[in-house]
Amino acid sequence: EAGVVQSPRYKIIEKKQPVAFWCNPISGHNTLYWYLQNLGQGPELLIRYENEEAVDDSQLPKDRFSAERLKGVDSTLKIQPAELGDSAVYLCASSLDWGAQYFGPGTRLTVL
Amino acid sequence: QKEVEQNSGPLSVPEGAIASLNCTYSDRGSQSFFWYRQYSGKSPELIMSIYSNGDKEDGRFTAQLNKASQYVSLLIRDSQPSDSATYLCAVNEGAGTALIFGKGTTLSVSS
Repeated sequence: EAGVVQSPRYKIIEKKQPVAFWCNPISGHNTLYWYLQNLGQGPELLIRYENEEAVDDSQLPKDRFSAERLKGVDSTLKIQPAELGDSAVYLCASSLDWGAQYFGPGTRLTVL
Repeated sequence: QKEVEQNSGPLSVPEGAIASLNCTYSDRGSQSFFWYRQYSGKSPELIMSIYSNGDKEDGRFTAQLNKASQYVSLLIRDSQPSDSATYLCAVNEGAGTALIFGKGTTLSVSS
């Protein structure tokens, strides 16, 4: 069974530029999560989807971050414009209902 | 503020020894508890989940949960150098909530 797929794995951009991350969850997993992980910290939730619906986006900085999960499968997380402080690893995870969460390899973002 | 606390380490043990990793959480409503292993530069990998008080064993790993004390632990028996990683404790309230992670404990197993 294929795991969670994310792309790109690495991204380097100049500040104020836009960037997008893509995630394909484990087949059949209806719940999808985007986390942010800074160095030396545990992951922190940005947004959680149940199928197509964003059910918890309270920690998503909505002035610059947006996300979508069309058709309840793939998801895209966007930052526009990026700031220096956005440099981090962006992790996507998926689960079946409220079961254990499985993480993708992550996207390491560097904002210069 | 819901918090999960872990000793950052590093915890150093010799090969073959038992490594004991500990975690406390602040939210008494927490229902599900997980241990993730994270190698440097990699993403978290689920190694154990536990939902009720007591012990749960899986190979060389044993998770222990004490809800009254709000305490979760992970024991790694016969530690191997390949176990050297950061171990993240995570909890949630069950249906409808996201995982709250600790900062992780770095384990170093020397051969």
